[in-house]
Amino acid sequence: DTAVSQTPKYLVTQMGNDKSIKCEQNLGHDTMYWYKQDSKKFLKIMFSYNNKELIINETVPNRFSPKSPDKAHLNLHINSLELGDSAVYFCASSQVRGGDTQYFGPGTRLTVL
Amino acid sequence: TQLLEQSPQFLSIQEGENLTVYCNSSSVFSSLQWYRQEPGEGPVLLVTVVTGGEVKKLKRLTFQFGDARKDSSLHITAAQPGDTGLYLCAGAVNSGYALNFGKGTSLLVTP
Repeated sequence: DTAVSQTPKYLVTQMGNDKSIKCEQNLGHDTMYWYKQDSKKFLKIMFSYNNKELIINETVPNRFSPKSPDKAHLNLHINSLELGDSAVYFCASSQVRGGDTQYFGPGTRLTVL
Repeated sequence: TQLLEQSPQFLSIQEGENLTVYCNSSSVFSSLQWYRQEPGEGPVLLVTVVTGGEVKKLKRLTFQFGDARKDSSLHITAAQPGDTGLYLCAGAVNSGYALNFGKGTSLLVTP
């Protein structure tokens, strides 16, 4: 069974479109995250949710809107996509805090044309 | 945001060689984690170090946390092609709800 799953794996879209990425974890963790990995492989935190509540929003444009319907799901919706949004987006989860082991999903490679 | 500097950024070695990757910061971390990421996959935890001066071994990998909990190193003995990947260090601060990652060391081990 996949611990942290993301869909889709690949997403190719035009500038200006709106898209969503879904994430689910079956580990019973309380905290979920979205990270962005750029072309230079730098992994940067975007959002952190604990028990469905937003904990961290790291200066991410408000075109990005995370939604957590329950603590097992954290989806990412992106409005008005820009070329600079092209990256690999990783969802992760951990038991409670960031210092706990984080379990990452397989990533979603977003390409904006 | 606490910055973690990793060096070297790239490393290409032959099978059987030893190597060390460094992770340095000016900030103190309550714990530091090392992850390995393979192409097309998410990072996977290798180890967490918590105590200053701590040394942990995972087969041919040796991890050390600095006495002041500001730096860490990863030493690989007799590297194998299966060690190829991106090695990331990440630090958590007290009560932190996320990790700050270093920029990674991309390791290539050729037969």
